[in-house]
Amino acid sequence: SQTIHQWPATLVQPVGSPLSLECTVEGTSNPNLYWYRQAAGRGLQLLFYSVGIGQISSEVPQNLSASRPQDRQFILSSKKLLLSDSGFYLCAWSVRSLGRNTEAFFGQGTRLTVV
Amino acid sequence: LAKTTQPISMDSYEGQEVNITCSHNNIATNDYITWYQQFPSQGPRFIIQGYKTKVTNEVASLFIPADRKSSTLSLPRVSLSDTAVYYCLVGDAGSSASKIIFGSGTRLSIRP
Repeated sequence: SQTIHQWPATLVQPVGSPLSLECTVEGTSNPNLYWYRQAAGRGLQLLFYSVGIGQISSEVPQNLSASRPQDRQFILSSKKLLLSDSGFYLCAWSVRSLGRNTEAFFGQGTRLTVV
Repeated sequence: LAKTTQPISMDSYEGQEVNITCSHNNIATNDYITWYQQFPSQGPRFIIQGYKTKVTNEVASLFIPADRKSSTLSLPRVSLSDTAVYYCLVGDAGSSASKIIFGSGTRLSIRP
């Protein structure tokens, strides 16, 4: 069966510090991968998605970046965090096939607090 | 991408049937309609997906009229554990890769 791992679960970082959140998927190959952010009481904002190694599409221009160094690994990074980067970050994957690519499976999330 | 509109919040009582309607006037031919459920501090969970008419699974039913400009998620006999945010999404499942865009969702509160 497929599983998705996302860590850490919680993170407190000072303003201006770097960030690296990692997500890995097991039990499937060539998935679509996604990073979302959710502010308190709000909906999910799509940050990045990837259809293959090294292929990253950015939805929201800001001080975040994403990389996909391996087929089932997706990394969210920042060189200098802002207070506004605080939120609940979720990684997700979907099957790359017709009719199923809109069914996403989510990790447990990382709650980031920038202080 | 087709935009969706759904009520911000709804209240109901245990044992009732709850219907949440979503509008998607600009839905495209290849678009499927997908609903997710999200509990606090968790990622959304896929509930149901459909293209037209009616789809039913062990959790919910999805009703889609012929023009596909709206859809209704039906939760039979809700319980307190159904309190969550429900998202309606419209996306192109006709290609092998698709952005999955979430709106603001409907916050459903179930009372005893």
